[in-house]
Amino acid sequence: QQQVKQSPQSLIVQKGGISIINCAYENTAFDYFPWYQQFPGKGPALLIAIRPDVSEKKEGRFTISFNKSAKQFSLHIMDSQPGDSATYFCAASPNSGGSNYKLTFGKGTLLTVNP
Amino acid sequence: NAGVTQTPKFRVLKTGQSMTLLCAQDMNHEYMYWYRQDPGMGLRLIHYSVGEGTTAKGEVPDGYNVSRLKKQNFLLGLESAAPSQTSVYFCASRLTGAASYEQYFGPGTRLTVT
Repeated sequence: QQQVKQSPQSLIVQKGGISIINCAYENTAFDYFPWYQQFPGKGPALLIAIRPDVSEKKEGRFTISFNKSAKQFSLHIMDSQPGDSATYFCAASPNSGGSNYKLTFGKGTLLTVNP
Repeated sequence: NAGVTQTPKFRVLKTGQSMTLLCAQDMNHEYMYWYRQDPGMGLRLIHYSVGEGTTAKGEVPDGYNVSRLKKQNFLLGLESAAPSQTSVYFCASRLTGAASYEQYFGPGTRLTVT
């Protein structure tokens, strides 16, 4: 059972455009929603994260939008740059020590930003 | 501060051979995790540890064993490698508690089983 569904699988955007990646979750116990960025040959690294007490979080060109009622969250990359070309993973985790804070990952989106 | 390191970076095994992957972290993190990454499958949790001397199964534990004899090290073992275990393996660690959820990942080990 896939608990976090991510789309699209791949995305091609022109430099300066907006990249949008969407995720949907099923488990209502999730309350931490990070996005990880992974460059080829490297490990994933935390990009930005949100808790459900806010509907939006912005850090520079990266914004997470969160819709608790729809159980959906998305990553928006404004003014996309070729250096943003990477694989992006959404994830979710329950806020419970009993869950051991395990992250459930989406399947990833390969973003290509053309110059 | 090296963060999370993994040894080796690459390895080729024949079916039936065994090997151990080493993960080390110098951030004094309690929690450590082993994931595998396959094309189109995202990151799937194999085993994890909530502290020295503890281990637990994740989503895809079959064919793997782990040990956490020291807080800073988390070992992943393959007793009898199979081609289905060809993958990129990532180790991650994080602080305990709800104060910080971030998991810090190592650079990965690319394993090929022929």
